[in-house]
Amino acid sequence: AQSVTQPDIHITVSEGASLELRCNYSYGATPYLFWYVQSPGQGLQLLLKYFSGDTLVQGIKGFEAEFKRSQSSFNLRKPSVHWSDAAEYFCAVGPLHSGGYQKVTFGTGTKLQVIP
Amino acid sequence: DTAVSQTPKYLVTQMGNDKSIKCEQNLGHDTMYWYKQDSKKFLKIMFSYNNKELIINETVPNRFSPKSPDKAHLNLHINSLELGDSAVYFCASWSAAGESGELFFGEGSRLTVL
Repeated sequence: AQSVTQPDIHITVSEGASLELRCNYSYGATPYLFWYVQSPGQGLQLLLKYFSGDTLVQGIKGFEAEFKRSQSSFNLRKPSVHWSDAAEYFCAVGPLHSGGYQKVTFGTGTKLQVIP
Repeated sequence: DTAVSQTPKYLVTQMGNDKSIKCEQNLGHDTMYWYKQDSKKFLKIMFSYNNKELIINETVPNRFSPKSPDKAHLNLHINSLELGDSAVYFCASWSAAGESGELFFGEGSRLTVL
């Protein structure tokens, strides 16, 4: 069974500082990996995804993530955080089924607080 | 145009009642999902339909019954509501593009059971 661990429940960073959110997954085969962001009272928006190819993935809003198979990790990074980045961040993993659909399992989320 | 829309956005009801949440997507996707997000923000998959056929049915009480009249709609009916059903329910659809794809989420329906 697939699973995702986000070890940090809550992270606080200063505006302009760099950010790294950790994600570890458990899946028997090559995983499909995602990062989603949820602003208060909103649905989830995709930041980036990894399916194959280059292990460094660029996403929206200046985010990037690196897939490291040896560490079963898919950490999210941003070089300079903006106050508008304050939100809940979810890492997710999903296998692609033969019908072309995904069963996507989410981590417990990391709440990011940005201070001036 | 809203891609995945859910109604109602807020629902407050008494224990024991029956309620429904509706979901529609105008993206042309074949696969739709219901997720439940609890008070700790944990997102758990409940059901998935692919072109009106149930393909994922997690360990969910049978008081929850999904219905997909066509591939653009996936509704969730809940019987005999309990306090523990209070949560935000998210509908999502899956876009498949070759081996890639992503989930598109609605804005959620916050259910409060009193």
